[in-house]
Amino acid sequence: GESVGLHLPTLSVQEGDNSIINCAYSNSASDYFIWYKQESGKGPQFIIDIRSNMDKRQGQRVTVLLNKTVKHLSLQIAATQPGDSAVYFCAENGVTGGGNKLTFGTGTQLKVEL
Amino acid sequence: GAGVSQSPSNKVTEKGKDVELRCDPISGHTALYWYRQRLGQGLEFLIYFQGNSAPDKSGLPSDRFSAERTGESVSTLTIQRTQQEDSAVYLCASSLDGNTDTQYFGPGTRLTVL
Repeated sequence: GESVGLHLPTLSVQEGDNSIINCAYSNSASDYFIWYKQESGKGPQFIIDIRSNMDKRQGQRVTVLLNKTVKHLSLQIAATQPGDSAVYFCAENGVTGGGNKLTFGTGTQLKVEL
Repeated sequence: GAGVSQSPSNKVTEKGKDVELRCDPISGHTALYWYRQRLGQGLEFLIYFQGNSAPDKSGLPSDRFSAERTGESVSTLTIQRTQQEDSAVYLCASSLDGNTDTQYFGPGTRLTVL
C-alpha cells in the first residue's frame, strides 16, 4: 500500500553543523511534498514544500531535495541551531489539485547538541 | 491574520462520555482538515471539508466519530462514547481552497480518556 516513511527516528547533530533528514515515499502518483516541524506540545509548522516537477527548492537555511527515481525526499538544515530541535515530518499529497489528505511519515526527532 | 485555533487545548474525560472539539480555521480558508496524532506517531487523516460539505470522510475510525462545519468556518469534531484508544492529540488544519495543497495547522486538542 501507500506509505511515507523515514529512515532515522532520531538524529543528533552538533550546533552549527548541517542536518539531513530523509524520507522515502511509495506513491508514484504523488506530485506534492511538504516538510513540517513539530515542537513539543504544538501543532506542525510548515517549513518548505516542493512539487514533483522540481528537484530542489531552497528556503531560509533549509533545502528540500526530491529524487523521483528512487522516491526519496530529504530536508537539509544549514547551520543547525538549538531552536531547530523538534520532530520533523514529511508528507505527501498523491493527487494534483489539493483538497486531499496528506499522508505523513512517522517523524524524525532532531536533537541539537551544544 | 490569526492562525488556526482549536479549543479546548486539553480535555480529560471518562470512558463512555461524549466530547466535542472545536476548530477555527484561518479566515477565508475554505478547506478544513482533521487529523489524529497518537503519542510518538505521525498524523492520521480523519476528514476533509470543502466549504460545509465533507467529500472525504475516509479516515474516520468508527461511527462514534462525526464532524460538521457551518458557515464555511468553524468545525466541530464529535466523539461519542469515548474509549481509551481515542486518547490522542486531535489536530485541525486549513488551506486556502481545495486546489491549494499547503495546510496550516492549529495547536491541537489533547484528549485523554480515563
